[in-house]
Amino acid sequence: EAQVTQNPRYLITVTGKKLTVTCSQNMNHEYMSWYRQDPGLGLRQIYYSMNVEVTDKGDVPEGYKVSRKEKRNFPLILESPSPNQTSLYFCASSFTGNRETQYFGPGTRLLVL
Amino acid sequence: AQKVTQAQTEISVVEKEDVTLDCVYETRDTTYYLFWYKQPPSGELVFLIRRNSFDEQNEISGRYSWNFQKSTSSFNFTITASQVVDSAVYFCALSEALGYSTLTFGKGTMLLVSP
Repeated sequence: EAQVTQNPRYLITVTGKKLTVTCSQNMNHEYMSWYRQDPGLGLRQIYYSMNVEVTDKGDVPEGYKVSRKEKRNFPLILESPSPNQTSLYFCASSFTGNRETQYFGPGTRLLVL
Repeated sequence: AQKVTQAQTEISVVEKEDVTLDCVYETRDTTYYLFWYKQPPSGELVFLIRRNSFDEQNEISGRYSWNFQKSTSSFNFTITASQVVDSAVYFCALSEALGYSTLTFGKGTMLLVSP
């Protein structure tokens, strides 16, 4: 089944404790991206990757890191999480970019205390 | 800069009513792409439609229809004979064609369909 998977689905952590949210897709998509969803703000893009070893900032990159060492994986790293990073995070992928339909993972709910 | 406005924060209807969700966008590009996504209470994002700026034909898919009007920069979504299962948050989104622009979402419209 074609899908985007994310892990963990739910995470409670404390301020400053490094964490990684994994994202994997099995559709051989070149493009992957991360979004956060906050009440009243909709979805905002954090980072995106056009291909392996090619990443770029989205609209709200502060406090996040990403890497793209393999085509199928695009982890999101919070090196020192803060409470304002409490959010619902989505990973997405598409064949070539924002112009194509992006398929979203199930989401990761993060609470930073 | 690109922008998407969904002015309706929340809409409540009774089952079988028709409902239209508005989406107005801003872009400097002549080539761009518009999307609608559905987010049911379970939280996942479900793709509904993609439309490019050169295709102004309206589209119908079952009870769903979309009205794209470049003259008013709108891409509205109508659900005919709404059902309880249509209850969800609906997002309109825009991507410009030039470079590697981001995908910009509106803030979403929560649709509540009651029996």
